[in-house]
Amino acid sequence: DQQVKQNSPSLSVQEGRISILNCDYTNSMFDYFLWYKKYPAEGPTFLISISSIKDKNEDGRFTVFLNKSAKHLSLHIVPSQPGDSAVYFCAASAPISGNTPLVFGKGTRLSVIA
Amino acid sequence: DTAVSQTPKYLVTQMGNDKSIKCEQNLGHDTMYWYKQDSKKFLKIMFSYNNKELIINETVPNRFSPKSPDKAHLNLHINSLELGDSAVYFCASSQERRPNYGYTFGSGTRLTVV
Repeated sequence: DQQVKQNSPSLSVQEGRISILNCDYTNSMFDYFLWYKKYPAEGPTFLISISSIKDKNEDGRFTVFLNKSAKHLSLHIVPSQPGDSAVYFCAASAPISGNTPLVFGKGTRLSVIA
Repeated sequence: DTAVSQTPKYLVTQMGNDKSIKCEQNLGHDTMYWYKQDSKKFLKIMFSYNNKELIINETVPNRFSPKSPDKAHLNLHINSLELGDSAVYFCASSQERRPNYGYTFGSGTRLTVV
C-alpha cells in the first residue's frame, strides 16, 4: 500500500530550465511533507519541507507547492543546474503521537543536461 | 566528522550467516531509525529508538534485532540471512520524534546475500 507515490521514475531537463517533480499521497492524516535529495552511494539529505497549513514554501531555487484537496505536492527547481542531478524522494509525516516515521515515495531520478 | 556513520558500507555474505550493521550519530539526537531500501527503491521504516527505547517496530522478520546501547548508537543484527534481505539499509537520526527538518541519514550499507 503506497501512501506516497512518485509516478515518474525519471526526468530529464535542460540546464537553466525548470524541473518539476511530482508527488501524490493517499493518507489524509499526513500534515507535513519533505523533499530529500540523494546522490549515488550517499544517504538522502533534507532539501525542503512544507506544513499542511501552507500551500507554498520557497528556499532559493527550490519551491514546494502543496495542493491538499488533490493530495498532491510538487517540487520546482529553477533554474536547474547539472549539480541538481540526483534522485529526489518525497516524504510525508502524520501527527500520530510518538510514532510518526517518515513515509517515503520511491524517488524520481532527475538528470539535468548541460 | 560524519554526522551519522554506518559500518560497513558494503557487506557480502552467504545465506544463513549472522551479520551486524553499526550506526553512530554525533549530533546529540535522541531518536534513531533504521530504513530499508529494497529493489523497488522504496525507503521503508524498520525500527525507531528514542533515548534507547524502542518506539517503532514495523512488520519485519524477528531475525532482525535492533540494539541501542546508548542514544548515540543503533545497531542492526540480522540472523540467518536470506536472499531477500539483500537491500540498502539506512540509519538515520533526528532531534525529536517528529522534526520539522526531517532526519539526518547515514550513507547506507549495501547488503548482498549470496
